[in-house]
Amino acid sequence: DAMVIQNPRYQVTQFGKPVTLSCSQTLNHNVMYWYQQKSSQAPKLLFHYYDKDFNNEADTPDNFQSRRPNTSFCFLDIRSPGLGDAAMYLCATSTEDGYNQPQHFGDGTRLSIL
Amino acid sequence: AQKVTQAQTEISVVEKEDVTLDCVYETRDTTYYLFWYKQPPSGELVFLIRRNSFDEQNEISGRYSWNFQKSTSSFNFTITASQVVDSAVYFCALSESPYSGGGADGLTFGKGTHLIIQP
Repeated sequence: DAMVIQNPRYQVTQFGKPVTLSCSQTLNHNVMYWYQQKSSQAPKLLFHYYDKDFNNEADTPDNFQSRRPNTSFCFLDIRSPGLGDAAMYLCATSTEDGYNQPQHFGDGTRLSIL
Repeated sequence: AQKVTQAQTEISVVEKEDVTLDCVYETRDTTYYLFWYKQPPSGELVFLIRRNSFDEQNEISGRYSWNFQKSTSSFNFTITASQVVDSAVYFCALSESPYSGGGADGLTFGKGTHLIIQP
């Protein structure tokens, strides 16, 4: 009965080859987030959707894009992955008043760049 | 800007010992929320507790307890009678109200404390 599902669990791609990570949720939450977590570091917010409204963090590289075709699904696209993009990518959801509600995280996708 | 500091990078204790994880935060907002999350080796972040800035009552949940002190901007987490299954990375996080005109909409995490419970 997983509520936030990320696929795949592990993803290997080549330097410069576009890659898409997916996230789905069964919670019907309005807000979906993408975080990047590098080894032994804290998760860092990349962007989030409030319904269909996209909110990008100021320091998120242009190389990172996102799509949310409906409430349940959200995708993270990395257009030209570099070695520095190897990380765990975490998807999370929260209800409308996200700032005061717990975020529900998926298991993450660990991305490796060859 | 908001900031969360977890000064303890790694703590190692023997099973059944009590252990306290420190968290100090900075914010200009009067309305904010503090969270603790656990990240076991499998990778998912598990929500443990939420506390709002107007509620300074300490909280106990089984072997876990939290001490929130606004005067020192701290939100410390204590595990009593630690168990091997408590081994994980623990993150303290801050969320500011978007209605107050400042702050990010996501969580600002500390760098985490890696807790090792030895049998």
